Amino acid sequence: NAGVTQTPKFRVLKTGQSMTLLCAQDMNHEYMYWYRQDPGMGLRLIHYSVGEGTTAKGEVPDGYNVSRLKKQNFLLGLESAAPSQTSVYFCASSYEAYNEQFFGPGTRLTVL
Amino acid sequence: AQKVTQAQTEISVVEKEDVTLDCVYETRDTTYYLFWYKQPPSGELVFLIRRNSFDEQNEISGRYSWNFQKSTSSFNFTITASQVVDSAVYFCALQTGANNLFFGTGTRLTVIP
Repeated sequence: NAGVTQTPKFRVLKTGQSMTLLCAQDMNHEYMYWYRQDPGMGLRLIHYSVGEGTTAKGEVPDGYNVSRLKKQNFLLGLESAAPSQTSVYFCASSYEAYNEQFFGPGTRLTVL
Repeated sequence: AQKVTQAQTEISVVEKEDVTLDCVYETRDTTYYLFWYKQPPSGELVFLIRRNSFDEQNEISGRYSWNFQKSTSSFNFTITASQVVDSAVYFCALQTGANNLFFGTGTRLTVIP
């Protein structure tokens, strides 16, 4: 099992460009999450999904959109990147709401 | 409001020393879960333990142990006989709702050989 994978691992964008981060899990988990990690701030929840076709906002959703068209995939989109979105993005999944979350390796995004 | 405080930003110990990482949480909910995750230099977060609010029993797993005290709202993590491989950032987290997982700011542990 690959667990949780993220694509790409690194990306540099210019302000105003768009991109999509892909998260895939092969554990048949219902719940999937997108976090961002910034220095000195821990991880903050951007969006999450409780099942295929569902998405919901987390703590810091502005500037991001998500989609969960297939149970195993959770996409995070940036329509118009801003320097404030420079961060490390982690995807996670869990079997149930209060279970431990399994994290992907992260995507380091820099917006110039 | 939910909050997790990890007051120790960085800790350095010499190999084989014991070290305790502090975690203090705030919540008004009576049902909640507490977690510890490890983030080694490779960057990926690794789950260590989950504890629910109704189970105050301390837990030991090898060199790791956790002390959960509701009276002081603390969930501290102790590594006994630390090793270089324990060097990482450790995060404490609190979950109060189905999808409300709040992370502390982390404690960077460096174990010096």
